Amino acid sequence: DTAVSQTPKYLVTQMGNDKSIKCEQNLGHDTMYWYKQDSKKFLKIMFSYNNKELIINETVPNRFSPKSPDKAHLNLHINSLELGDSAVYFCASVGYTEAFFGQGTRLTVV
Amino acid sequence: AQTVTQSQPEMSVQEAETVTLSCTYDTSESDYYLFWYKQPPSRQMILVIRQEAYKQQNATENRFSVNFQKAAKSFSLKISDSQLGDAAMYFCAYIPNTGNQFYFGTGTSLTVIP
Repeated sequence: DTAVSQTPKYLVTQMGNDKSIKCEQNLGHDTMYWYKQDSKKFLKIMFSYNNKELIINETVPNRFSPKSPDKAHLNLHINSLELGDSAVYFCASVGYTEAFFGQGTRLTVV
Repeated sequence: AQTVTQSQPEMSVQEAETVTLSCTYDTSESDYYLFWYKQPPSRQMILVIRQEAYKQQNATENRFSVNFQKAAKSFSLKISDSQLGDAAMYFCAYIPNTGNQFYFGTGTSLTVIP
């Protein structure tokens, strides 16, 4: 039973399209994150939600919008995709003693 | 603001030898957790070891151990008897006890030489 389920694993799309990445956790955690991992492997926080409330919103283009329908879900919607959005996106569910990660979504914008 | 710094972008070690990865962090909190995560080519993030700041004793997990220096805000990872499967990106991470901010360092790419 996967703790953090992130879909899809791979996503290839054209510039200008709108796409969503889904994330669900069954750990009962209140806090979830979205990270972007670029080609240099740097993990950059994008958003953090605590019990459906936005806590952290780092400098991210407003084309990126997180949606948290309940505390078990934190989806990432991206509008008007650009070439520079190509990266691996990770969802994480964070407890006090550990962060559990989804498998990552490799987004390729062509 | 809390930051996590890993000053070694790349490291290499001979198989069966020992290697130490460095991490420093900056925080005004007194109670927090520190972590080392491993990311192999499969890109899955795997917890290697965890240290509670209030514990003076350094954490150990089999071949992995840490040197936690709270006053110096230093948290290094020692890998003993390195194996080929240890080759990966290693990330140092920090979270305060409030649990609302989970920050990673820039990562160290470890190569294990047969």
